Amino acid sequence: NAGVTQTPKFQVLKTGQSMTLQCAQDMNHNSMYWYRQDPGMGLRLIYYSASEGTTDKGEVPNGYNVSRLNKREFSLRLESAAPSQTSVYFCASSGMEDSGNTIYFGEGSWLTVV
Amino acid sequence: GDSVTQMEGPVTLSEEAFLTINCTYTATGYPSLFWYVQYPGEGLQLLLKATKADDKGSNKGFEATYRKETTSFHLEKGSVQVSDSAVYFCALKPPAFGKGNQVVVIP
Repeated sequence: NAGVTQTPKFQVLKTGQSMTLQCAQDMNHNSMYWYRQDPGMGLRLIYYSASEGTTDKGEVPNGYNVSRLNKREFSLRLESAAPSQTSVYFCASSGMEDSGNTIYFGEGSWLTVV
Repeated sequence: GDSVTQMEGPVTLSEEAFLTINCTYTATGYPSLFWYVQYPGEGLQLLLKATKADDKGSNKGFEATYRKETTSFHLEKGSVQVSDSAVYFCALKPPAFGKGNQVVVIP
């Protein structure tokens, strides 16, 4: 019963390096999301995908790109990491089928940019 | 657009005290409302939800009632435990979340 799985769990990057956070869900959900969580800032939406083949910007998209590879997978890419992108990143998914728009979260990815 | 507002600041209280966290929302229509909880070092998980006006969601001793007249969904628990220390988020249908409230319960 995996739910939402995201990798890696921890990562340290140097400024200017690139990396991709991977996310997969096994609940057949249409919608997927990437959030970042910073102290005192709550959750901020980076990008979301309402369905396979579509992506939309959230509140804080600058410096990030996303790919909805298929219905299961939604990746987040940092092309040139900056210290301001040090944060905890959460992938999530939701569906209307039997969960009434309940959103399910992964366990988080702790990213440090030095 | 749809939005959620939670009361400001952390909440610190003693074990067995009464807990209330206020949440109000702005939305078109009557969306489902949710409370999520985040324990230290973990992702968010659903605590309770209500899908229509006057519904009461409940779980683990927590309750919240969907009040369309006041557009509110306040979270309450009658007697908190140390294990309830966590961050609590109010939410509408995704992706609208409140900023969260840190709750610290002191023995």
